[in-house]
Amino acid sequence: AQTVTQSQPEMSVQEAETVTLSCTYDTSENNYYLFWYKQPPSRQMILVIRQEAYKQQNATENRFSVNFQKAAKSFSLKISDSQLGDTAMYFCAFTRLRRNNNAGNMLTFGGGTRLMVKP
Amino acid sequence: NAGVTQTPKFQVLKTGQSMTLQCAQDMNHEYMSWYRQDPGMGLRLIHYSVGAGITDQGEVPNGYNVSRSTTEDFPLRLLSAAPSQTSVYFCASSYQFRGADNSPLHFGNGTRLTVT
Repeated sequence: AQTVTQSQPEMSVQEAETVTLSCTYDTSENNYYLFWYKQPPSRQMILVIRQEAYKQQNATENRFSVNFQKAAKSFSLKISDSQLGDTAMYFCAFTRLRRNNNAGNMLTFGGGTRLMVKP
Repeated sequence: NAGVTQTPKFQVLKTGQSMTLQCAQDMNHEYMSWYRQDPGMGLRLIHYSVGAGITDQGEVPNGYNVSRSTTEDFPLRLLSAAPSQTSVYFCASSYQFRGADNSPLHFGNGTRLTVT
């Protein structure tokens, strides 16, 4: 079974500064995907960024980037130039790479990190 | 607008009552699933379906039933509600796995359920 751990229940950052959210996971799989989801107060789940384990290059989406360390099973999210709209819960998630017809996107989530961006 | 629609947004039940949470998607996604969100525990998978007529259990299936008679709809049934089922419920859908590009999940906006 896979587990995902987010060790920072709450964090805060000043607007325009950079913040890094931590995530570690445990798996015996070699091929998998990792995700960061954002959940603002509206409760909507929004995909921020994803990383395929077989890719060594870290994923980047505008102000969001990851530091993927496969050997250490670590997947941190860096938010640059933080904006007030980044205030939200952030969830790290894992799924195995599946190749059969009964495959799906069964995600295992971490407990979340609540991020507050202060003006 | 295309997406995943969940109803109702809020619901209060008494212990022992039954209800159905509705989920519909109009993206022709094969895969649909239900998660529950509890504080400090993230989202946990309840049940999922990889196509019409096919369902399977996730991590926390006890107390919930599902069916998938059409591609579009995937209702979640609570037959006898318990206070431990107080939670926020999310429905999600995606295309089936198609090679290296794993299709991301699309989430509904959630249903907040309180069982007293």
